[in-house]
Amino acid sequence: ETGVTQSPTHLIKTRGQQVTLRCSSQSGHNTVSWYQQALGQGPQFIFQYYREEENGRGNFPPRFSGLQFPNYSSELNVNALELDDSALYLCASSFWQASSYEQYFGPGTRLTVT
Amino acid sequence: DQQVKQNSPSLSVQEGRISILNCDYTNSMFDYFLWYKKYPAEGPTFLISISSIKDKNEDGRFTVFLNKSAKHLSLHIVPSQPGDSAVYFCAASEGVNQFYFGTGTSLTVIP
Repeated sequence: ETGVTQSPTHLIKTRGQQVTLRCSSQSGHNTVSWYQQALGQGPQFIFQYYREEENGRGNFPPRFSGLQFPNYSSELNVNALELDDSALYLCASSFWQASSYEQYFGPGTRLTVT
Repeated sequence: DQQVKQNSPSLSVQEGRISILNCDYTNSMFDYFLWYKKYPAEGPTFLISISSIKDKNEDGRFTVFLNKSAKHLSLHIVPSQPGDSAVYFCAASEGVNQFYFGTGTSLTVIP
């Protein structure tokens, strides 16, 4: 069974640029959630995708957007990068059902905005 | 607004003793609570969970207690082992599609 993978591992971007982060879900999972973890903080929910549709969103501006593909892999796109976007970005996959709360996290992508 | 709080950034415990990690929340609508463990350079790993209809859930050395009236949950690890040294996050949700995490407690188990 393949776990959740994310790419790239590290990324350095300049303020104002755009970035795309990628995530491959664990086999059999149909739901993916993205989180932002700033230094010294817990993960903050960005949004969740289920069957290629956004299924919930946290308190993040529209310049944070996502996609989920038919094979359940996912992308997180961030436009007009700001210095405060520097963080660890985590994706987590799960199998959506009413009683399923367990998520499996990838190792994260460390984004640095300069 | 931090809906889930872990007020102890760090905790040190002797090997073999009990580790107690605490978590408080503010939203009474939360119906599911989870604990995650995180090692450096890895994503959080699910450890144990509890539904709001229960007040205790046990899995081996790990037990989670939920006190709904106090909006408080705790994770007990007995006996603590050096391999338990990690950052522990509690998380809460209302439904399955949005989870709120605390800021984490770094546990060090001293051999």
